[in-house]
Amino acid sequence: EAGVVQSPRYKIIEKKQPVAFWCNPISGHNTLYWYRQNLGQGPELLIRYENEEAVDDSQLPKDRFSAERLKGVDSTLKIQPAELGDSAVYLCASSYRRGSGVGYNEQFFGPGTRLTVL
Amino acid sequence: GDSVTQMEGPVTLSEEAFLTINCTYTATGYPSLFWYVQYPGEGLQLLLKATKADDKGSNKGFEATYRKETTSFHLEKGSVQVSDSAVYFCALQGGSEKLVFGKGTKLTVNP
Repeated sequence: EAGVVQSPRYKIIEKKQPVAFWCNPISGHNTLYWYRQNLGQGPELLIRYENEEAVDDSQLPKDRFSAERLKGVDSTLKIQPAELGDSAVYLCASSYRRGSGVGYNEQFFGPGTRLTVL
Repeated sequence: GDSVTQMEGPVTLSEEAFLTINCTYTATGYPSLFWYVQYPGEGLQLLLKATKADDKGSNKGFEATYRKETTSFHLEKGSVQVSDSAVYFCALQGGSEKLVFGKGTKLTVNP
């Protein structure tokens, strides 16, 4: 079974340029997450989707970051314009959430996209 | 809010040494607790988990016990191998369903 796929793996851009990251979750997974991992830190959640609905975007800097998950499958995370402080690894994860109750759902992570803003 | 504090690294051990990486947490309610591992050049992988107090998670010779009284979830392995060299993250999942991670501990095992 294929895991979570992300592209590109690496991206180097000048500040103020736009950039986009793409994620294809594991087939059948209805929940998708974007995390940002700064150097020497653990990942921090940016946004969580259930199907095509963003159910938690409280940590997404909405002035420059946007995300979409059309048709509840693939997702794109965009930064426009990028700033030096956006240099990080952007991780996508997916899980299968059963029902509406809160409970543990194992999250499977992709390899990440390492962004360098110069 | 919820938080995880784990032992700062890096940790360097010789092969077959005993490993402990400390992890404590702060959370409301009863979170699920996890250890994730990140091998060089790879994504995060779930190593083990515990979903309630006194549960012991185990995998690949690693163990961790959910201690509610000390709010801890320390990772242990009796005899590490070179192939265990990686970064280890302690994490919790509370009511919001998002994972909250510690900063990670880099482990290097020398032959």
